[in-house]
Amino acid sequence: NAGVMQNPRHLVRRRGQEARLRCSPMKGHSHVYWYRQLPEEGLKFMVYLQKENIIDESGMPKERFSAEFPKEGPSILRIQQVVRGDSAAYFCASSYRGPNTEAFFGQGTRLTVV
Amino acid sequence: DQQVKQNSPSLSVQEGRISILNCDYTNSMFDYFLWYKKYPAEGPTFLISISSIKDKNEDGRFTVFLNKSAKHLSLHIVPSQPGDSAVYFCAASTIFTGGGNKLTFGTGTQLKVEL
Repeated sequence: NAGVMQNPRHLVRRRGQEARLRCSPMKGHSHVYWYRQLPEEGLKFMVYLQKENIIDESGMPKERFSAEFPKEGPSILRIQQVVRGDSAAYFCASSYRGPNTEAFFGQGTRLTVV
Repeated sequence: DQQVKQNSPSLSVQEGRISILNCDYTNSMFDYFLWYKKYPAEGPTFLISISSIKDKNEDGRFTVFLNKSAKHLSLHIVPSQPGDSAVYFCAASTIFTGGGNKLTFGTGTQLKVEL
C-alpha cells in the first residue's frame, strides 16, 4: 500500500555493519508494526510501537535489534553488527487505533548481508 | 509452533473458475482473521477480513468463510482472473494491551490463474 512509506527499498550491508530501516505510517495511523519475512516463510511479527513507546517487542531478537517511533519523524528499525542470517524482507505496517482494524503494509526493505 | 497453517503451498485454477484457498489455526484466542495478497517484491495488500462473530463476509469477487468449531477459514475467489495470480496469506489477529493487533501469518499459498 503506497500509503505506508518504507526506505530504502533495497539495502546491502557487509557483515558487522549497521542497518537502519525507516518507515512512515499512513496519515492518521498511530500504530506501527514491523514484520520480517525470511526466504520461503510467512511474515513474522517483530515489534509494535506507538509514538515514543514500544508496546510489544516479543518477536524481536534480544540482541542487536532495536526499534523506535519518535514523536517527530519515521519509525526506525535498527540492526547492529548484521550477520548473514539477517538477510530478509522487512515490512512495516500501520493501523488506526482500535481492535480488529486492518493493518496496511509498506513495500518492504530487502536487506542483503554480504 | 505454527499457529496458522496454509497446507497448500500452491494452487492452479483456470480463468473464470472458483479459487478456494484454505487456512487452519490452532489458537482459540484469535478473534479476527484477514487475507492478504502479495506480489513479488511488494508488500502484502489487504483483501478481506472477518470477525469471529461472523461466519461469512463478502466483498465483490472475494468471500471469506469462517468455521470456528473446526478452526478453519477459507477464501473464495469467483470468477478467478489472471491478475489474481499472487501469493495469498492468511493472518489471525490477537489484540495488544495498547489497542493494536498482532498478526500471525500462515506461510502462504501461491495462486496461479491460467488462461
